[in-house]
Amino acid sequence: SYELTQPPSVSVSPGQTASITCSGGKLGEKYAYWYQQKPGQSPVLVIYRDSKRPSGIPERFSGSNSGNTATLTISGTQAMDEADYYCQAWDSNTAVFGGGTKLTVL
Amino acid sequence: QVQLQESGPGLVKPSETLSLTCSVSGGSISSYYWSWIRQPPGKGLEWIGYIYYSGSTKYNPSLKSRVTISVDTSKNQFSLKLSSVTAADTAVYYCARHTELTYFDYWGQGTLVTVSS
Repeated sequence: SYELTQPPSVSVSPGQTASITCSGGKLGEKYAYWYQQKPGQSPVLVIYRDSKRPSGIPERFSGSNSGNTATLTISGTQAMDEADYYCQAWDSNTAVFGGGTKLTVL
Repeated sequence: QVQLQESGPGLVKPSETLSLTCSVSGGSISSYYWSWIRQPPGKGLEWIGYIYYSGSTKYNPSLKSRVTISVDTSKNQFSLKLSSVTAADTAVYYCARHTELTYFDYWGQGTLVTVSS
């Protein structure tokens, strides 16, 4: 079965750039999606189709996808961005989520 | 604004069947795909399966033998049944909307289901 691998945790200082990776076989040939989840809340889509931002998502969120790796980048990270982030893709008509990355802003 | 609301028992006994319903308001269930996704306490997201409003389904292979998802377009609802549950099925269960093979744009608030005797 298809798997997506994320680092369990990433730390970043306020105002700096955070990068969260998501690896999977030939992931660049699929679309990658990214969700933000804060404690006790439902996930929220922050990036779709590799690099597009939904309405209402700040411009500091961006994404890329090439080869076997998709990357979520948060520029000028703010304290409010501290959350769990999940990548997601489709393989053989089934949805697959990465294991999630806890972003700590300190 | 589309809203999704999960409902169902919060406690299920081992070996029994977990049953949840997702009610959709603010929009029609037609022309969209509807998924169930779960999250064990402190862990990541796991996709369970989807149903198209027409009734076609696709399930996670790891759960396929125990999962049934159905839709009732007249009530704007869809449902999940998970049989032979164990403690490993304890999780927050979310329902979510998507279009074909794309992103989950609307999510329910989630409901915690605990499997325990």
